[in-house]
Amino acid sequence: DTAVSQTPKYLVTQMGNDKSIKCEQNLGHDTMYWYKQDSKKFLKIMFSYNNKELIINETVPNRFSPKSPDKAHLNLHINSLELGDSAVYFCASSQGPPGPGPQHFGDGTRLSIL
Amino acid sequence: AQKITQTQPGMFVQEKEAVTLDCTYDTSDPSYGLFWYKQPSSGEMIFLIYQGSYDQQNATEGRYSLNFQKARKSANLVISASQLGDSAMYFCAMRDSGANNLFFGTGTRLTVIP
Repeated sequence: DTAVSQTPKYLVTQMGNDKSIKCEQNLGHDTMYWYKQDSKKFLKIMFSYNNKELIINETVPNRFSPKSPDKAHLNLHINSLELGDSAVYFCASSQGPPGPGPQHFGDGTRLSIL
Repeated sequence: AQKITQTQPGMFVQEKEAVTLDCTYDTSDPSYGLFWYKQPSSGEMIFLIYQGSYDQQNATEGRYSLNFQKARKSANLVISASQLGDSAMYFCAMRDSGANNLFFGTGTRLTVIP
């Protein structure tokens, strides 16, 4: 049973296209996240959703829009893709807030912009 | 300001030996959590161990233990009896009560030598 699953695992597309990454968690967690891991392996938070409400929005271009149809899903839609968007995108979930529990991550989506 | 610092970009350890991966953190919040994640070459993020700021004892999970020195603001990961499968990137992360997301360090690449 996959706890946090994201699709697709690999995404190769042209600059200027629009794409979506889907994420689902079956852990019953209240909060879901999107992180971006750059080419130097640095992980940074992009968005956080708690019970379908956006509670964090870091300085991310508005070409990125998270969509949460319910608390088990948090999809990431990206418009007008740019070369700099190439990265690995991780979905994660956790119980809370509050709560000290760990965040459980999906396997990542490697996005490559041609 | 950088909240998590990992000063070792790379570490080598002989198989069956113990290794310590360093992590220091910065927060003025009395309530926070510290986490370690493993990222093997396959790319997934695997939760290893958690330490709460109010925990009296150092956390342990199998071969992993966290050397928590609150006054020094350090949370080093100790891996005992290293195995070849321990070769991976290791990330230290923190969440304080001011945020739901994790702040990650830049990671340490551990290589276990047979």
